[in-house]
Amino acid sequence: EVRLVESGGGLVQPGGSLRLSCAAFGFTFSGSWMSWVRQAPGKGLEWAAHIKADGSGKYYVDSVKGRFTISRDNAKNSLYLQMNSLRAEDTAVYYCVSWGGAGTTSDWGQGTLVTVSS
Amino acid sequence: DVVLTQSPLSLPVTLGQPASISCRSSYSLLHSDGNTYLEWFQQRPGQSPRRLIYRVSNRDSGVPDRFSGSGSGTDFTLQISRVEAEDVGVYYCMQGTHWPHTFGPGTKLEIK
Repeated sequence: EVRLVESGGGLVQPGGSLRLSCAAFGFTFSGSWMSWVRQAPGKGLEWAAHIKADGSGKYYVDSVKGRFTISRDNAKNSLYLQMNSLRAEDTAVYYCVSWGGAGTTSDWGQGTLVTVSS
Repeated sequence: DVVLTQSPLSLPVTLGQPASISCRSSYSLLHSDGNTYLEWFQQRPGQSPRRLIYRVSNRDSGVPDRFSGSGSGTDFTLQISRVEAEDVGVYYCMQGTHWPHTFGPGTKLEIK
């Protein structure tokens, strides 16, 4: 059974930093593309960042470029999102998402809430 | 960025009746590799999103066959042949052809 378990969310002040982690279980993590998708309270879904299976390619939505860094450790079956210079508009539930089988499978974690507020 | 427009944004449906959601893209979603990366997701109240359809018309494992997807280029549709109570939630289309990948605004399905 595929499981994605996010951690690291919490309350942080504007301008602060946070590192999210996602532990993956039950599938070939090293063969899967991975993403962070976020959802502000009461709002829709927004693609934040994406990383290829071997970590060679990384993609970001414009609003987080230069502030967020996505990375992975295939030896630890883990995905990360380093978030710096956080703003109030970064407040959201952050979901870890896997894309296996060249996109023929997709699984989501339960999400972790990041709140940016003073 | 590619903008996806969904209609309707609110969809009241009687149990057992069909439902249809449209998704229109500001650019063609036909990729240079020949695939069209248009997907549909369902988010039930209080739950994480779950993918229903990938590459326009392929159902994900475990998705009931009352869900179907169709379309090409810039116009796509998600159809539910007979709505059941468990289908209540918000439905999003998403394009994976162009970076950054983008989602539609969502369609809220409710039971009349």
